[in-house]
Amino acid sequence: QLVLTQSPSASASLGASVKLTCTLSSGYSSYAIAWHQQQPEKGPRFLMKLNSDGSHIKGDGIPDRFSGSSSGAERYFTISSLQSDDEADYYCQTWGTGFGVFGGGTKLTVL
Amino acid sequence: EVQLVESGGGLVQPGGSLRLSCAASGFTLRSYWMHWVRQVPGKGLVWVSRMNSDGSLTSYADSVKGRFTISRDNAKNTLFLQMNSLRAEDTALYYCARVGCFGTNCYEDDAFDIWGQGTMVTVSS
Repeated sequence: QLVLTQSPSASASLGASVKLTCTLSSGYSSYAIAWHQQQPEKGPRFLMKLNSDGSHIKGDGIPDRFSGSSSGAERYFTISSLQSDDEADYYCQTWGTGFGVFGGGTKLTVL
Repeated sequence: EVQLVESGGGLVQPGGSLRLSCAASGFTLRSYWMHWVRQVPGKGLVWVSRMNSDGSLTSYADSVKGRFTISRDNAKNTLFLQMNSLRAEDTALYYCARVGCFGTNCYEDDAFDIWGQGTMVTVSS
């Protein structure tokens, strides 16, 4: 079964870096995913599509301090030089034939 | 500006019906596969339904199958979600989302690249 697993929460200090992880279930390590950001009281915003080889395509206007990488079944999203408005929920998303799947989301707190 | 705007949410009694709309602007809806996703306030995103670009193929989450119907009017650049036999557990913010086209190849199943702002559906007596 295609499942995405994310840690519920993460925190890092203003100006620091943070790396969020999304893990694909067994047998699906070749799948691409997408990362989305959801700020409080807003709809989700597409950040990037991340392939299994670590290559990624960002959405329009997504800053260079946002990046993605991959290792096996793990998909990572890294924010460098954290800013206060990076505080948000981050969701990973993947897809099968005819359906979509989301991770449970990671709530990022900027200290 | 490429944009999706949902409407049609509101308060409805259990067993009632509601029709959500998702108006697309800045792009031609007929070229894209589209999805509905919902979110209980304070909880995560949950996939609901999908439709292909010409409206001939649909799929649904088990939780809504037989009760919800996705459709589209490409001439009006609008996606719909007809929700019947509504239950308390259908209470959520409903988002429409576009399947992106990345690189030279466009696939029917891919990352969502545009989201709406959501419309709230509350099922309560």
